[in-house]
Amino acid sequence: DAGVIQSPRHEVTEMGQEVTLRCKPISGHNSLFWYRQTMMRGLELLIYFNNNVPIDDSGMPEDRFSAKMPNASFSTLKIQPSEPRDSAVYFCASRLAGVHNEQFFGPGTRLTVL
Amino acid sequence: AQSVTQPDIHITVSEGASLELRCNYSYGATPYLFWYVQSPGQGLQLLLKYFSGDTLVQGIKGFEAEFKRSQSSFNLRKPSVHWSDAAEYFCAVGARNTDKLIFGTGTRLQVFP
Repeated sequence: DAGVIQSPRHEVTEMGQEVTLRCKPISGHNSLFWYRQTMMRGLELLIYFNNNVPIDDSGMPEDRFSAKMPNASFSTLKIQPSEPRDSAVYFCASRLAGVHNEQFFGPGTRLTVL
Repeated sequence: AQSVTQPDIHITVSEGASLELRCNYSYGATPYLFWYVQSPGQGLQLLLKYFSGDTLVQGIKGFEAEFKRSQSSFNLRKPSVHWSDAAEYFCAVGARNTDKLIFGTGTRLQVFP
């Protein structure tokens, strides 16, 4: 079975450019989470969706960040404009909402903003 | 509010030695508890989870963890560490009324031959 798929795996861009990260959750999962991991702040939850609806975006750092989930099999995290402090590894995770269901993580996208 | 503390940032053990990674949580009721492992350049993989029942939980790769309510702890153990266990380990807590997990800061395990 395919796990959570993220693309690209690596992204290098220049400050001010728009960056779009993509995620395909596990088929049948109805919750999707975006995390950011840095050495300084560890693993932070940015936003999560249930049934394609954003439930909690309190972790989104600022208006430069936006996330969408147009359907059950695709989500994007966009940063516009990007800044060097956005450099991090961004993970997507999905789960089948309900009791006792763990989150399954994708391999992550390593973003470097120069 | 929920929180997770992993007091050990970095642990080094010899291959074949036993291992215990500490995790303490703060939550008003019985939480859901998880241990995840992250190998370099990879995403997080679930090792084991606790929801209720037997307080000693068995996981993959020979790991186990014990939930101790009186100590608010969920320590991860392995009787004999292999070189391939070198990775970062994260403890996480989830509340029963939310989908979110709160992760600890992680413990990096180094294994010497």
